Amino acid sequence: EVQLLESGGGLLQPGGSLRLSCAASGFTFSTYAMTWVRQAPGKGLEWVSSISADTHTIFYADSVKGRFTISRDNSKNMLYLQMNSLRVEDTAVFYCSRGASSTWFDYWGQGTLVTVSS
Amino acid sequence: DIVLTQSPATLSLSPGERATLSCRASQTVSSNLAWYQQKPGQAPRLLIYDASNRATGIPARFSGSGSATDFTLTISSLEPEDFAVYYCQQRTKWPLTFGGGTKVEIK
Repeated sequence: EVQLLESGGGLLQPGGSLRLSCAASGFTFSTYAMTWVRQAPGKGLEWVSSISADTHTIFYADSVKGRFTISRDNSKNMLYLQMNSLRVEDTAVFYCSRGASSTWFDYWGQGTLVTVSS
Repeated sequence: DIVLTQSPATLSLSPGERATLSCRASQTVSSNLAWYQQKPGQAPRLLIYDASNRATGIPARFSGSGSATDFTLTISSLEPEDFAVYYCQQRTKWPLTFGGGTKVEIK
């Protein structure tokens, strides 16, 4: 059974940093691109960043470029999102999902809430 | 960026009725469009991919159609568990984008 489990969310002040993690199981992690999608409270879905299976190709939304860094460790079946210079508008539930541009988002984690507030 | 416009924003229907949701792209996405369902407090679930293919385990009452810039998700007869928010998404060009969503609510 495919499972994606996010962790690392929390409450922090503007300008702070946080690293989200996503533990993957039930599939060959090293062969799939992975993506972070976020959802602000009461709002729609927003693509944040994707990383290819071999880590060589990475894309970011303009809203997070230069502040967020996506990475993965295929030996540990882990996906990460390092978030720096956080803003109030980054407040959202962050979902880890399997897929990117060559495959659809067929599996999603339960999400982890990031709240940025002074 | 490819903008996906979903309409209507809210659809008020009764169980058993037919639901027709629209997604329009600002430029052609070929058939590179998916539909997701999201219920309150839950992660999105893939319903339809490549515009018209049902994902694994999705009931036959869900169907997708369209190509290029105009797409439709149809729920032939609404079940109580179908009342939710539905999003379309394209993967033709980066950045990947989602539509703003259509909420299907009980009338």
